[in-house]
Amino acid sequence: EDQVTQSPEALRLQEGESSSLNCSYTVSGLRGLFWYRQDPGKGPEFLFTLYSAGEEKEKERLKATLTKKESFLHITAPKPEDSATYLCAVRGSGTYKYIFGTGTRLKVLA
Amino acid sequence: SQTIHQWPATLVQPVGSPLSLECTVEGTSNPNLYWYRQAAGRGLQLLFYSVGIGQISSEVPQNLSASRPQDRQFILSSKKLLLSDSGFYLCAWGSRQADPYNSPLHFGNGTRLTVT
Repeated sequence: EDQVTQSPEALRLQEGESSSLNCSYTVSGLRGLFWYRQDPGKGPEFLFTLYSAGEEKEKERLKATLTKKESFLHITAPKPEDSATYLCAVRGSGTYKYIFGTGTRLKVLA
Repeated sequence: SQTIHQWPATLVQPVGSPLSLECTVEGTSNPNLYWYRQAAGRGLQLLFYSVGIGQISSEVPQNLSASRPQDRQFILSSKKLLLSDSGFYLCAWGSRQADPYNSPLHFGNGTRLTVT
């Protein structure tokens, strides 16, 4: 069964303090790993798609990387506006289902 | 550009009452459509998905049902709500025009349902 585990559950950082969020996955034939940002009371907002091991994507202070077993979302010099819940999802081959992790709640303090 | 509309934004319903949540997508055709429920600390739970009009796949047996009467319309329903149906309901669409496997889901802003 496809499964996604995110860690840590919650993370508090000082402004400018870089860190990484982890997404470990088990899936039959990975076709895509997806990162989302979710603000309170809102729907998730798409950030990145990663397809194959070794791939990297960047957007402003965020960089996502992918290995055969996990993905990392690196946050460089975060700002308070980066505070949100970050969700990871996978889709395997032969399925239309997207399986989500429980997310990492990030709080960046000024 | 594509947009997804979901309503209502909040809903308070008594136990035993019916439910109808609607989702529509604009700017794309023949999308894959999804209903998720999000409970605190439990991530997104897939409830239903549809790959075409009238085609519904159910992931969680419960007192909820889904229908897709039109290409870009997805409806979540219940005949009698339970307390356990409370949660944040999210509708999403995925493109079938690009490589469908690599297409991300795009979400609406959700409906906060409280069953009292």
